[in-house]
Amino acid sequence: AQKITQTQPGMFVQEKEAVTLDCTYDTSDQSYGLFWYKQPSSGEMIFLIYQGSYDEQNATEGRYSLNFQKARKSANLVISASQLGDSAMYFCAMTPFGNEKLTFGTGTRLTIIP
Amino acid sequence: DADVTQTPRNRITKTGKRIMLECSQTKGHDRMYWYRQDPGLGLRLIYYSFDVKDINKGEISDGYSVSRQAQAKFSLSLESAIPNQTALYFCATSDLSGGAENEQFFGPGTRLTVL
Repeated sequence: AQKITQTQPGMFVQEKEAVTLDCTYDTSDQSYGLFWYKQPSSGEMIFLIYQGSYDEQNATEGRYSLNFQKARKSANLVISASQLGDSAMYFCAMTPFGNEKLTFGTGTRLTIIP
Repeated sequence: DADVTQTPRNRITKTGKRIMLECSQTKGHDRMYWYRQDPGLGLRLIYYSFDVKDINKGEISDGYSVSRQAQAKFSLSLESAIPNQTALYFCATSDLSGGAENEQFFGPGTRLTVL
């Protein structure tokens, strides 16, 4: 079974600063994928970034990057130059390869302060 | 038009009533999922279907049933709703091409309240 831990229930960050959202995971699978989703107050789930367990380079998508440390089972999301529109809930999730059942963490509520 | 739609978007019902939540997708994906979201618990998988003839229980299937009427349609039923089924319900889809890199695309959610 997989488990995702997000230890930061809430964070407040000044606009334009970088922010790191923590995610650690536990799995016995050798091959897996890690995802981050954003959920704004409107409720929809928005895919942000993906990292495969065999990817040697950290994933990046615009202002989002994933700091993947496999030995530590850590997959932190880094948002550079935060914007007011980044205020939302952020969920880390994972799935073993060949099995697309996502396991989600409990989320971090990020608030960007002007 | 949205690729994954859910109806209704909001529903208030009473304990003991039968409720059906519907999900339709125009993405042509084979795989569909139902999740529920409770405050502080993240999203949890209820049922999933990898094709029309394949239905599987997820983490929290008790009290729920599903029907995959077609590739594009996946319905979730609560046979006899109870208050602790009050939650935000999401449908999601993904492509059948193997590997975990297949992003799941989520519908807008259905907010269900059971009184």
